[in-house]
Amino acid sequence: DAKTTQPNSMESNEEEPVHLPCNHSTISGTDYIHWYRQLPSQGPEYVIHGLTSNVNNRMASLAIAEDRKSSTLILHRATLRDAAVYYCILRDSGVRGNEKLTFGTGTRLTIIP
Amino acid sequence: EAQVTQNPRYLITVTGKKLTVTCSQNMNHEYMSWYRQDPGLGLRQIYYSMNVEVTDKGDVPEGYKVSRKEKRNFPLILESPSPNQTSLYFCASKQEGYNSPLHFGNGTRLTVT
Repeated sequence: DAKTTQPNSMESNEEEPVHLPCNHSTISGTDYIHWYRQLPSQGPEYVIHGLTSNVNNRMASLAIAEDRKSSTLILHRATLRDAAVYYCILRDSGVRGNEKLTFGTGTRLTIIP
Repeated sequence: EAQVTQNPRYLITVTGKKLTVTCSQNMNHEYMSWYRQDPGLGLRQIYYSMNVEVTDKGDVPEGYKVSRKEKRNFPLILESPSPNQTSLYFCASKQEGYNSPLHFGNGTRLTVT
């Protein structure tokens, strides 16, 4: 599986935008970029995914570099409830069968009131 | 409310005493899976099931069993628990479709003494 690299931790002020980076220099053409987050004492939850174009949903935006070797998850206005561990995951659309997600150690985001 | 429900949330047991962690989903998902989460190791897949009566090993299946007799339930069975199975366990499910998100339960914290 292609690997991703994320900073171990980041801090941001409440009500400001947050940009969470992810490097995936060995990404293949069939890899989708998925983001999940894990709030304290909860299971991971899906945030967003994309292939080549930038994507937006009610939770966040995903900006994907033109060469696809990196991406950035954008929280437009962070709240205290966004404090979590954020995981950037590559999923190979060319593989069928086990829908396994390979989680790394993610980025622990702290929101400062 | 659409959800994945695990029980119990917390469990303390002794070595060798068989236990079952239940998992149920109300979203009619075909795919279900079990993960364990350990510090520094991220989430690792234990077993998965593509449909009723179809199960297969994930990355760390040793010491675990599963069954899938009905679509909604996917129990995790530890026939003879050992201390190295002390961990945080998550059940997950998803609908068909490659990029459909995984839905996770809130976890079961197991301690084996």
